[in-house]
Amino acid sequence: NAGVTQTPKFQVLKTGQSMTLQCAQDMNHEYMSWYRQDPGMGLRLIHYSVGAGITDQGEVPNGYNVSRSTTEDFPLRLLSAAPSQTSVYFCASSPILRDTQYFGPGTRLTVL
Amino acid sequence: SQELEQSPQSLIVQEGKNLTINCTSSKTLYGLYWYKQKYGEGLIFLMMLQKGGEEKSHEKITAKLDEKKQQSSLHITASQPSHAGIYLCGAHGRGGADGLTFGKGTHLIIQP
Repeated sequence: NAGVTQTPKFQVLKTGQSMTLQCAQDMNHEYMSWYRQDPGMGLRLIHYSVGAGITDQGEVPNGYNVSRSTTEDFPLRLLSAAPSQTSVYFCASSPILRDTQYFGPGTRLTVL
Repeated sequence: SQELEQSPQSLIVQEGKNLTINCTSSKTLYGLYWYKQKYGEGLIFLMMLQKGGEEKSHEKITAKLDEKKQQSSLHITASQPSHAGIYLCGAHGRGGADGLTFGKGTHLIIQP
């Protein structure tokens, strides 16, 4: 199994551009989530999904959209990038709700 | 909301020495996770503790959960260069489907 995969690894955007961070898992996990990691702030939850077709907001959802059309994929969309969204983004998945979460390698995003 | 405080924030130890990292919760713990992150990489799951008094070990790393103190400790025996990195504790909130709340991490440096 590849586990949790994320693409791209690095991305530089200009303010106002949009893009989608991809996340996929091949473990048939029901629960998937997105976090951002910032210096001094730790990891914070952006959005999560408890199954295909179901998504909800986490602690810092503003400026981000998600959808979950399949069990395997959980893309994160930045509609209009802002410098405040410069961060490292991690996707995670777990077999069921409130179980051990397994993390992808991360995407390092810089917004100029 | 639940907050997790880790101490120390950073730690420099000589190779071969023992060390302890603490994680204290502002609210009742319903399970506590320990992860390790190498600089620039994703989070690697180490251990999960669910019950008060529970203690788990993997190789030279031991984690304990003290439910009454709302605290967990991570102890490394005879530290090695491979132990260097950032150690993060995480916990689920009491209810709901949301993700993990994380501490800000402990940066561990091992000096040869």
